[in-house]
Amino acid sequence: AQSVSQHNHHVILSEAASLELGCNYSYGGTVNLFWYVQYPGQHLQLLLKYFSGDPLVKGIKGFEAEFIKSKFSFNLRKPSVQWSDTAEYFCAVIRGANNLFFGTGTRLTVIP
Amino acid sequence: DSGVTQTPKHLITATGQRVTLRCSPRSGDLSVYWYQQSLDQGLQFLIQYYNGEERAKGNILERFSAQQFPDLHSELNLSSLELGDSALYFCASSVGAGARYGYTFGSGTRLTVV
Repeated sequence: AQSVSQHNHHVILSEAASLELGCNYSYGGTVNLFWYVQYPGQHLQLLLKYFSGDPLVKGIKGFEAEFIKSKFSFNLRKPSVQWSDTAEYFCAVIRGANNLFFGTGTRLTVIP
Repeated sequence: DSGVTQTPKHLITATGQRVTLRCSPRSGDLSVYWYQQSLDQGLQFLIQYYNGEERAKGNILERFSAQQFPDLHSELNLSSLELGDSALYFCASSVGAGARYGYTFGSGTRLTVV
């Protein structure tokens, strides 16, 4: 079954630094990948998703992710983070036909 | 506001008790998914309903059950509660039966078992 893994548990950056959060998926045929963000005390929100086509996917709030098939990766990037990006970030993959399997999440702390 | 409504927001109960969590999906969405989020287990898929019928089952304990009603709202029943059931329970909804278009999540119900 499809799964994803996130190896960075907690990332601390200063404002304006560049961000890259890792996500690796397991091979299983067609891959549909997502990044969700959970701001403190809030619900999960969809940042971006990849189904097919251009491997560079642009999402909301200046985030983007690149699907690299040869590396089984779907890393999330942002060129310059802000304090308001402090949140937990989850990578997810469709498992079976019906549900999303989430990674363990990466907590991002941005220091002003 | 995501359009997915979960009640109550917080629940504190004793071990051995039974609670019911409620979820109203976003207007037009037919699927409801339940997830449990805990510090040690992360986000775990529990169960999915589509238009009133169970569609997929994940790591849901036998002490837990769920249903989706004709008006599409869903309830998650947790019984014989244990300390380890303390977690954030999220409901999500989607238009179709599959996850392809992503989910819309509710704000969650924080359950504390004491």
